[in-house]
Amino acid sequence: GAVVSQHPSWVICKSGTSVKIECRSLDFQATTMFWYRQFPKQSLMLMATSNEGSKATYEQGVEKDKFLINHASLTLSTLTVTSAHPEDSSFYICSARRATDYGYTFGSGTRLTVV
Amino acid sequence: AQSVTQPDIHITVSEGASLELRCNYSYGATPYLFWYVQSPGQGLQLLLKYFSGDTLVQGIKGFEAEFKRSQSSFNLRKPSVHWSDAAEYFCAVGAFPGTYKYIFGTGTRLKVLA
Repeated sequence: GAVVSQHPSWVICKSGTSVKIECRSLDFQATTMFWYRQFPKQSLMLMATSNEGSKATYEQGVEKDKFLINHASLTLSTLTVTSAHPEDSSFYICSARRATDYGYTFGSGTRLTVV
Repeated sequence: AQSVTQPDIHITVSEGASLELRCNYSYGATPYLFWYVQSPGQGLQLLLKYFSGDTLVQGIKGFEAEFKRSQSSFNLRKPSVHWSDAAEYFCAVGAFPGTYKYIFGTGTRLKVLA
């Protein structure tokens, strides 16, 4: 149980286009989902926190208009990288918090490469 | 300030040897502590967590961790390392209740020699 599916696992896009990454909790309701960015050989950097039905809360320094987050249901959150540029290339990981306890489940991550 | 420190960036051990990964935290309230493991190109898998009670917690894959409040530490241990344990290990403290955010350490990369 407690599975989070993240898609796509990797994506290559052209500079200037937008890319959407999905994060789904398959067998539980996620009251809160988190989006992280991870640079090579570094730790996870929290980008934003999203709660179902409300606007995402972005961490300082994260561009809201660049990284659009939508948490439309208790099982789905999406991250859209708008007008992507090569510097947006990174590994993006989502995690979902179960309402029943403090356990978080992480998605398998999305490798974004902007060319 | 709230923080998590993993002093060892890289650790190399021989297969079958014991392992200890260090984690120190700075947190103003009762810490909720976690250890996660990440294989290359993958998400994070929870190894174990500590909320309260017995300070020695058992996790998956034969890992255990001990919470020492006096030392603000939550070190991860394994008595005998397997080659498949090679990965990146992250210690985290959770801001519960409250923001429910994790504060991650910088990670320790474990290499296992055959």
